[in-house]
Amino acid sequence: AQSVTQLDSHVSVSEGTPVLLRCNYSSSYSPSLFWYVQHPNKGLQLLLKYTSAATLVKGINGFEAEFKKSETSFHLTKPSAHMSDAAEYFCVVSDNFGNEKLTFGTGTRLTIIP
Amino acid sequence: DTGVSQDPRHKITKRGQNVTFRCDPISEHNRLYWYRQTLGQGPEFLTYFQNEAQLEKSRLLSDRFSAERPKGSFSTLEIQRTEQGDSAMYLCASSLGGERFEKLFFGSGTQLSVL
Repeated sequence: AQSVTQLDSHVSVSEGTPVLLRCNYSSSYSPSLFWYVQHPNKGLQLLLKYTSAATLVKGINGFEAEFKKSETSFHLTKPSAHMSDAAEYFCVVSDNFGNEKLTFGTGTRLTIIP
Repeated sequence: DTGVSQDPRHKITKRGQNVTFRCDPISEHNRLYWYRQTLGQGPEFLTYFQNEAQLEKSRLLSDRFSAERPKGSFSTLEIQRTEQGDSAMYLCASSLGGERFEKLFFGSGTQLSVL
């Protein structure tokens, strides 16, 4: 069975400084990995996805993530935080074993300090 | 693209009552998903439709839960004899299909409170 662990439930950064949201995964098979963002009162939105192509994945709004198999990690980064980045971020895994189930982490709330 | 629409946005009900939620996916999206999200947790998969066929169901979906997508367009999720543990945000998502895990578009959800 697949799972993800988001290592921080809450991250605060100052506007203009780098963002790092950490995620470790567990999967019996070669996984697909995603990051989704949830703004208040809005639907979840896909930021980026990894599906066994390039290990460094670029997403929307300047976010990127690197798949590291040796560390079973898929951390999300952004060079410079913007106030509009304040939201809940979910790391998501699928086991690529023929089903459509996505397994979400518990989320990391990102706060941006002006 | 008007997005995924869910109705109602909020539902308050008494324990033991039946409730039904509706999801209208983005038109032409043949894949539709239901997820449940409780406070402080990530969404949990409930069920998946491809067109009108329900192809996957989670063990979370007890006998009190039933989902339909009769014409391959909108979907309904019914909960019978609601319990306080059913209180959660129920999320619907759709995708166009083709490539697996093609981008899912989520609705804003239906917040259920069981008193």
